Amino acid sequence: DIVMTQSPDSLAVSLGERATINCKSSQSVLYSSNNKNYLAWYQQKPGQPPKLLIYWASTRESGVPDRFSGSGSGTDFTLTISSLQAEDVAVYFCQQYYTTPLTFGGGTKVEIK
Amino acid sequence: QVQLQESGPGLVKPSETLSLTCTVSGGSISSYSWSWIRQPPGKGLEWIGYIYYSGSTNYNSSLKSRVTISEDTSKNQFSLKLSSVTAADTAVYYCARVGYGSGSYFMDVWGKGTTVTVSS
Repeated sequence: DIVMTQSPDSLAVSLGERATINCKSSQSVLYSSNNKNYLAWYQQKPGQPPKLLIYWASTRESGVPDRFSGSGSGTDFTLTISSLQAEDVAVYFCQQYYTTPLTFGGGTKVEIK
Repeated sequence: QVQLQESGPGLVKPSETLSLTCTVSGGSISSYSWSWIRQPPGKGLEWIGYIYYSGSTNYNSSLKSRVTISEDTSKNQFSLKLSSVTAADTAVYYCARVGYGSGSYFMDVWGKGTTVTVSS
């Protein structure tokens, strides 16, 4: 199974500041034949289901604010919130879909400092 | 807009079978693949399996011997059965739509989730 490791477990960021979440996979999720990284990011607010933010490592889902961006390739990925808003308080998960079983990172909790 | 709603018993006895149904509205179940994911209390997400638009299935190997995912296209529903449950199967169970297109096995639409507790 591909193990997804997120860091940090939690972070506190001031409103308007940048938040950076890291995700590392135990093996590459880059498919060489199409040069796509099979990596998604989700946001989960308390009491709600996860919401898809980013797929193919850097493609924003429709309706997701452009302050959210994804980057990285191979085994190392980053989700960046460029200017943290109050409504961004949530847990963020990465997920690989390169192979089954699909696996998720342990989550990163983002709070306001 | 597609919406998903999980339904089923909130309490299941140990060793029995957990059965949940996901009802899809606003779109045809036949056009997409569909997935089940669970989240134990205070923990992360675990993929259970999915059913492809073709009707074939793919299960997490950690649960494979106990899981069955099926669909009823006439009712626009798909279902999860998990046998021989223990307390470790206590979780919020989510149904979700798998992304469209080759290899797009991320989940782009989720149900609200249903809590299942395994206890006698």
